[in-house]
Amino acid sequence: GEDVEQSLFLSVREGDSSVINCTYTDSSSTYLYWYKQEPGAGLQLLTYIFSNMDMKQDQRLTVLLNKKDKHLSLRIADTQTGDSAIYFCAERNNAGNMLTFGGGTRLMVKP
Amino acid sequence: EAGVVQSPRYKIIEKKQPVAFWCNPISGHNTLYWYRQNLGQGPELLIRYENEEAVDDSQLPKDRFSAERLKGVDSTLKIQPAELGDSAVYLCASSARGGYGEAFFGQGTRLTVV
Repeated sequence: GEDVEQSLFLSVREGDSSVINCTYTDSSSTYLYWYKQEPGAGLQLLTYIFSNMDMKQDQRLTVLLNKKDKHLSLRIADTQTGDSAIYFCAERNNAGNMLTFGGGTRLMVKP
Repeated sequence: EAGVVQSPRYKIIEKKQPVAFWCNPISGHNTLYWYRQNLGQGPELLIRYENEEAVDDSQLPKDRFSAERLKGVDSTLKIQPAELGDSAVYLCASSARGGYGEAFFGQGTRLTVV
């Protein structure tokens, strides 16, 4: 079955770049997503990347996809205290609408 | 446009009691998901609907959990009887056919079983 893994925790200083990593096992993934979850809230979609792309940039966010290694990363430039949250990667497989999430990475931004 | 609406936001019940959660997806979204999120973990799929048909319910504990999506719009998720281990946040999400398949989430229902 599908498996999505993330590191648990990342701490950065305000203004630095953050890089959150994710690995997945399903080679039939079509889309990969990054979601943000703030305390007590649902999941908010930040960005996505199609599996035939290797990079996508959206303002302060850069997504890198290494399909060979099944590795996905999210880079947040100029990280702000408001970026403190839990970040989830998720993959959608080619078999249907199955959406599988990683365990989440808690990002702490220190002033 | 209204997002995915869930109610209630919070629910505290005693074990062995029944509980129900309600979800109203984004208008026009064919696919509806129920996820359970345990503390400190990522969401895990319980059931997925395509219109009114449950197409993936392999992770739904069918001895105590049930779900329905009448008319392919709103959905309810029920637990009867609830157990202590059912304490979690229950998230509903919906997505449209085609596009890049992004799923939009509601704010969730936090269930505490005491």
